[in-house]
Amino acid sequence: AQSVSQHNHHVILSEAASLELGCNYSYGGTVNLFWYVQYPGQHLQLLLKYFSGDPLVKGIKGFEAEFIKSKFSFNLRKPSVQWSDTAEYFCAVNARTGGFKTIFGAGTRLFVKA
Amino acid sequence: SQTIHQWPATLVQPVGSPLSLECTVEGTSNPNLYWYRQAAGRGLQLLFYSVGIGQISSEVPQNLSASRPQDRQFILSSKKLLLSDSGFYLCAWRITSGLINNEQFFGPGTRLTVL
Repeated sequence: AQSVSQHNHHVILSEAASLELGCNYSYGGTVNLFWYVQYPGQHLQLLLKYFSGDPLVKGIKGFEAEFIKSKFSFNLRKPSVQWSDTAEYFCAVNARTGGFKTIFGAGTRLFVKA
Repeated sequence: SQTIHQWPATLVQPVGSPLSLECTVEGTSNPNLYWYRQAAGRGLQLLFYSVGIGQISSEVPQNLSASRPQDRQFILSSKKLLLSDSGFYLCAWRITSGLINNEQFFGPGTRLTVL
């Protein structure tokens, strides 16, 4: 069965600090990988996604993630966070073929101090 | 453009009462539809998904059921609510055709409190 593990449940950073949120998944086949973000009071929305090709993908608001197949990882990074990045971040995975189910991690709450 | 609606936005129900949460999608046809429950520290738990009218897959044995009476309508129900059913319920949809655009789009959610 597929599973997704996010290493940090709560992260507190100061503005301009660098961010890396860990995500590891468990699945034997080819997968699609996602990071979603939920800003306070807003809908859950897509931050970035990986389907194939360059394992370093760039998303909105300066975020990027790197797919490392050998490590089953898809870590999210941002070189310099802003107060407006305060949100909850979810890593998700589904199977490339017949992937009707998308499995989400437990989420990481990021708080950026101004 | 596509939109997704959920109602009600908030709901307070007594233990043992029935439940019906509705989700509708506009601007697309034959979407995959999903119900999730979001709990603090536990992320999004997939409850049900549907690939077509009348087709429901249950992921977690529980006190809830789902139905898809129309292509773009997805309903979450319970005959008798439990305290443990309290939570934030999210509906989502996804385009079924092809492999490229298979991210999910989420609704605003329903906050359910069972007393």
